[in-house]
Amino acid sequence: EPEVTQTPSHQVTQMGQEVILRCVPISNHLYFYWYRQILGQKVEFLVSFYNNEISEKSEIFDDQFSVERPDGSNFTLKIRSTKLEDSAMYFCASSGGGESYQETQYFGPGTRLLVL
Amino acid sequence: TQLLEQSPQFLSIQEGENLTVYCNSSSVFSSLQWYRQEPGEGPVLLVTVVTGGEVKKLKRLTFQFGDARKDSSLHITAAQPGDTGLYLCAADEDMRFGAGTRLTVKP
Repeated sequence: EPEVTQTPSHQVTQMGQEVILRCVPISNHLYFYWYRQILGQKVEFLVSFYNNEISEKSEIFDDQFSVERPDGSNFTLKIRSTKLEDSAMYFCASSGGGESYQETQYFGPGTRLLVL
Repeated sequence: TQLLEQSPQFLSIQEGENLTVYCNSSSVFSSLQWYRQEPGEGPVLLVTVVTGGEVKKLKRLTFQFGDARKDSSLHITAAQPGDTGLYLCAADEDMRFGAGTRLTVKP
């Protein structure tokens, strides 16, 4: 069964460093998303992406964040200058393909980011 | 921005018991998803409900979407330890999740 994959599974970085989190969405999906979940807290929407542009973003997704679909398969989230409070689990999701209901999102396993 | 409220926040029961968890909002949804999340893993989609009054069954899990499409419930029959996890609801309108119900099923 097709699934969303994410790399790396864990990333440790120093405050102020740039990180790039990578996702491979399900191949026939058209909509891509990033979420984060701070330890013990709820899943929070960051951004959605469709047709090579951001379609919606939350207040969390400030100028430090950017997303890109550099090729036909990868979807990346870049954090330009990480802060301690960026430490969280970051989930990628995709939707909108095949017979599944368009808004039904399928999640990857997440990347655990720790900023020291 | 609509708020999704899930209740109860925590639920601990014995194996074999039945339970219901709820997802409520003051807003109308066009669709709602239920997910289960285990520690350190991504949410896994259980079901999407679309039509008001809709009932969907997934083995021992029964999902109901309210007639007015403002609320939903998840009922588990004869819970098993493998049902332990965080149950999340999410609405597609603004892709926001509820805080979840953390279910523990004791053997």
